[in-house]
Amino acid sequence: GQNIDQPTEMTATEGAIVQINCTYQTSGFNGLFWYQQHAGEAPTFLSYNVLDGLEEKGRFSSFLSRSKGYSYLLLKELQMKDSASYLCAVSKSGGSYIPTFGRGTSLIVHP
Amino acid sequence: DAGITQSPRHKVTETGTPVTLRCHQTENHRYMYWYRQDPGHGLRLIHYSYGVKDTDKGEVSDGYSVSRSKTEDFLLTLESATSSQTSVYFCASSTGDSNQPQHFGDGTRLSIL
Repeated sequence: GQNIDQPTEMTATEGAIVQINCTYQTSGFNGLFWYQQHAGEAPTFLSYNVLDGLEEKGRFSSFLSRSKGYSYLLLKELQMKDSASYLCAVSKSGGSYIPTFGRGTSLIVHP
Repeated sequence: DAGITQSPRHKVTETGTPVTLRCHQTENHRYMYWYRQDPGHGLRLIHYSYGVKDTDKGEVSDGYSVSRSKTEDFLLTLESATSSQTSVYFCASSTGDSNQPQHFGDGTRLSIL
C-alpha cells in the first residue's frame, strides 16, 4: 500500500515564504503531483516531479528526493489568494495510472 | 484545461433512494475517475475507468457502481443512498500517462437525509 503524510494546517503571513512538506512510503514510486484546491472548488494542477531536485514555476517551486521519500512545495511572496488546500499525490510505475492523494494541507495566509 | 463537467452540482435526497451523478469530458481522455472528498480524509477514489466499459474499484467502492458507455461519459450510481454517502463528489479525467495530471470537474455536493 501507500502512506502519504502532509501537515493538516499551516498559517503564514502575506509576503512571506512557506514550505509544505509531503512524505510518502510506496513501492514502485513513479512521480509526485501537487495540486491547489480553493474552498468549494476543484483541485487544479500545480507541478509534477519525477526526478530529484527542484522545479521552479514563478512563485511556486516543488522539490523531490526519491531516496528519502520526501517532497515539498515552496510558495514565495505569499498572497492572500494563496489561501487554499494543497494536495500531494503519488503515482506508481507499472499497471494502471491511479495516483493516491494525501489528505491535503490547508494553508491560511494572514495579512 | 480539459473540458469536464459534472451534473448535478447540488443534490439533496432521502436515504434509500437511488442517485446517479454524471460526468462528461470533451478531451477524449482514456481514464476517468470518481472521488469523494470528506473533511479529514482528503480525496478518496471510488471507481475508475480505463476505457469504454472498462472499470475497476477504488478504495471506497462499497455502495457505489459506475458505467462508461462512451469515452466522454462516466456515471456514478448510488443504488440505495445512505447518510454516510453525504459528501462532495469529484470526477476527473486524464490521458493515463503517468506524467500527466488529472483534470477535475467542479464537484457535486450530495446531501442524504
